[in-house]
Amino acid sequence: GENVEQHPSTLSVQEGDSAVIKCTYSDSASNYFPWYKQELGKGPQLIIDIRSNVGEKKDQRIAVTLNKTAKHFSLHITETQPEDSAVYFCAASKVVGAQKLVFGQGTRLTINP
Amino acid sequence: GAGVSQSPSNKVTEKGKDVELRCDPISGHTALYWYRQSLGQGLEFLIYFQGNSAPDKSGLPSDRFSAERTGGSVSTLTIQRTQQEDSAVYLCASSHRLATETQYFGPGTRLLVL
Repeated sequence: GENVEQHPSTLSVQEGDSAVIKCTYSDSASNYFPWYKQELGKGPQLIIDIRSNVGEKKDQRIAVTLNKTAKHFSLHITETQPEDSAVYFCAASKVVGAQKLVFGQGTRLTINP
Repeated sequence: GAGVSQSPSNKVTEKGKDVELRCDPISGHTALYWYRQSLGQGLEFLIYFQGNSAPDKSGLPSDRFSAERTGGSVSTLTIQRTQQEDSAVYLCASSHRLATETQYFGPGTRLLVL
């Protein structure tokens, strides 16, 4: 089955700097890759997603890149702000067929003022 | 509009008791998922309902776990004879039939088994 690895497990950056979180997946049939942000005591919130027919997607300060050949995808947050502090999860699934998400282990991002 | 809601938000129970966790999906969403998040861990798939199709139960960890979805809307996850290792946050998600891969999560039920 699918296996998703996520790095780093913790990341601390200065406010205003960029943060990058990386994930790799094992199943070449996976074609949908969402990123979730989870704040303390809350459920995961979808922040951006990408399908395998595109290589990059951007939404304001957040971008995701996908390399299908290498089977890895990354989340980029620019101009970080204190409210970006949270745990971020990557995931992989198939658009058609079994849609269960397989999650990475999460990255705890801390933005230092 | 209203998001996915779950109840109770917190549940403390004694080992050996049965518990029921409830999920109300987003109105109009036909797909519903249950995941489990153990302390400091990622999310683990449990079960998936899609319309009138047979559910995908491949993630249920033991036969003490079961789930049903009545009328294609509300779902209940039942854990029988709870064990301490069942302590976790149980998360429900739903998605629209036209984009079933795009899942929206509820706030979760925090279960503590003493």
